[in-house]
Amino acid sequence: AQSVTQPDIHITVSEGASLELRCNYSYGATPYLFWYVQSPGQGLQLLLKYFSGDTLVQGIKGFEAEFKRSQSSFNLRKPSVHWSDAAEYFCAVRGASGGSYIPTFGRGTSLIVHP
Amino acid sequence: DTGVSQDPRHKITKRGQNVTFRCDPISEHNRLYWYRQTLGQGPEFLTYFQNEAQLEKSRLLSDRFSAERPKGSFSTLEIQRTEQGDSAMYLCASSPRGAVGGGRGDTQYFGPGTRLTVL
Repeated sequence: AQSVTQPDIHITVSEGASLELRCNYSYGATPYLFWYVQSPGQGLQLLLKYFSGDTLVQGIKGFEAEFKRSQSSFNLRKPSVHWSDAAEYFCAVRGASGGSYIPTFGRGTSLIVHP
Repeated sequence: DTGVSQDPRHKITKRGQNVTFRCDPISEHNRLYWYRQTLGQGPEFLTYFQNEAQLEKSRLLSDRFSAERPKGSFSTLEIQRTEQGDSAMYLCASSPRGAVGGGRGDTQYFGPGTRLTVL
């Protein structure tokens, strides 16, 4: 069974500081990996995804993530956080071949940005 | 492309009542998904349609839940005899048909959700 662990429930950073949100996944074969962002009362917006190829993936809003197979990780990074980045961030995994199209989501990390 | 829309955005009901939610996917998307999200958790999969066919259902989808997508366009999710434990955000997502092995077909676009409160 596939699973995702986001070990940090809350992360607090100052505006302008760098950010790294952790994501560890469990899946027996090649995974597809996603990061979504959710603002209060809103649905989820896709930030970036990894399917294959270059393990450093660029996304929208200045975010990037790096797939590390040896560590089963897909951490999200941003070099300089803006106040508008305050939101809930979800990592998700699904299988790369056959089977279900259904991703499994982590429980999320809430990002708080201090001025 | 107007995005995925859901109606209503909020629903308050009394325990034991039936409720129905509607989801309108992005027009050219043939796949539609329903999720439930409770406070402090990520979305949990409920069910999935490809066109009008319901292809997968989670064990979370009890007998009181039913979903339809009669013409392969909009979908409805009905909860009968609501319980307080049904209080949650119900999210709908859609995705286009993509190439085997990945690509556009694997990107799900989410609606704003319907927040259900059962009193």
